[in-house]
Amino acid sequence: EDQVTQSPEALRLQEGESSSLNCSYTVSGLRGLFWYRQDPGKGPEFLFTLYSAGEEKEKERLKATLTKKESFLHITAPKPEDSATYLCAVPSFFSNDYKLSFGAGTTVTVRA
Amino acid sequence: EPEVTQTPSHQVTQMGQEVILRCVPISNHLYFYWYRQILGQKVEFLVSFYNNEISEKSEIFDDQFSVERPDGSNFTLKIRSTKLEDSAMYFCASSDPGTGYGYTFGSGTRLTVV
Repeated sequence: EDQVTQSPEALRLQEGESSSLNCSYTVSGLRGLFWYRQDPGKGPEFLFTLYSAGEEKEKERLKATLTKKESFLHITAPKPEDSATYLCAVPSFFSNDYKLSFGAGTTVTVRA
Repeated sequence: EPEVTQTPSHQVTQMGQEVILRCVPISNHLYFYWYRQILGQKVEFLVSFYNNEISEKSEIFDDQFSVERPDGSNFTLKIRSTKLEDSAMYFCASSDPGTGYGYTFGSGTRLTVV
């Protein structure tokens, strides 16, 4: 069974204080790794898909990287509007339809 | 940007009643999904739907649940005889066929069973 573990559970940052979130995964085969942002009471909002080790993607202050066993989401010089829960998910290798297994998320709070 | 639309945003129902949660997926997507998130827990897969039939379902998705695509745009989740433990956020999602590309979630329906 696919396993996705995120750490830390919560992260409190001062505005401008860069940090990284970790997503480690155990899958039968990697078909990609998804990063989502979730605001309270809302659905997951797509950020990135990474497909192979060494791949990196960036969007504003966020950069996602992938190794064979984990992914990192780096937040550079965060602003209060970056406060959210960040989720990573992997699709099942044996599923034809991209059933996703999610981690529990890292809740990031950025103080002004 | 295309989006997945869910209605209602919040539903309160009496235990034992039936509820129908509605979704309009992205129009050119062919795979549709329901996920749920109990407060404070992980987002978990319920069911996927392709070519007018269930493609895969989790062990949570028992006879209490059913899905339907009644027309060319809507996708529904019916929960019969609701229980207190069915209280959760229910998310609809859709994706491009076979690739996971554009895997987009709706804003969710908060179901409260009292």
